[in-house]
Amino acid sequence: AAGVIQSPRHLIKEKRETATLKCYPIPRHDTVYWYQQGPGQDPQFLISFYEKMQSDKGSIPDRFSAQQFSDYHSELNMSSLELGDSALYFCASLGRGEKLPGHNEQFFGPGTRLTVL
Amino acid sequence: AQTVTQSQPEMSVQEAETVTLSCTYDTSESDYYLFWYKQPPSRQMILVIRQEAYKQQNATENRFSVNFQKAAKSFSLKISDSQLGDAAMYFCAYRSAYRDDKIIFGKGTRLHILP
Repeated sequence: AAGVIQSPRHLIKEKRETATLKCYPIPRHDTVYWYQQGPGQDPQFLISFYEKMQSDKGSIPDRFSAQQFSDYHSELNMSSLELGDSALYFCASLGRGEKLPGHNEQFFGPGTRLTVL
Repeated sequence: AQTVTQSQPEMSVQEAETVTLSCTYDTSESDYYLFWYKQPPSRQMILVIRQEAYKQQNATENRFSVNFQKAAKSFSLKISDSQLGDAAMYFCAYRSAYRDDKIIFGKGTRLHILP
């Protein structure tokens, strides 16, 4: 079965640079969530989208922005990177249709490991 | 706001033995989901077990079972016949059932399996 795809899997950037993380949800899933997991920490919710509209917002820095496109994939844009942005970034997708396997459940991608030097 | 608390940062268990990981949560909602996620060294987030709050029966998945005490807001995970592959960080997590809400994670419990 198709899973959530995240790219790139690993990313190394310098301070003050910009990074773009991409998430491709499971086919027919219309909701995407982004989480940030710092070293030794639990995942923290950043932002979510439903049908291309922002549906909820967590502790996402103003330097970060995100959007969901017409094909339901999502991109997290991170500017003016700081050392503290080094983390594992998870994307999760959810499908609302009752006929979808595991409907109303979030499925996690493998994550993008961002290292800021 | 909802919170999830895991009071055991680390635990160890002998291979083939049984271990219980504790979790408590706080919420004013009556309908919600509770989860246990496993995060091995690969850091993939793997769903172990899920419990709907409206169901009184405790969820079970093979060697994994939960003890869900709604009134006490307690949700413990029991792992039977522990295997070396069970070594991982385990996160207890909460999600509201009223909206397609974010998942709130506890701080995690690192489980070591002793051969």
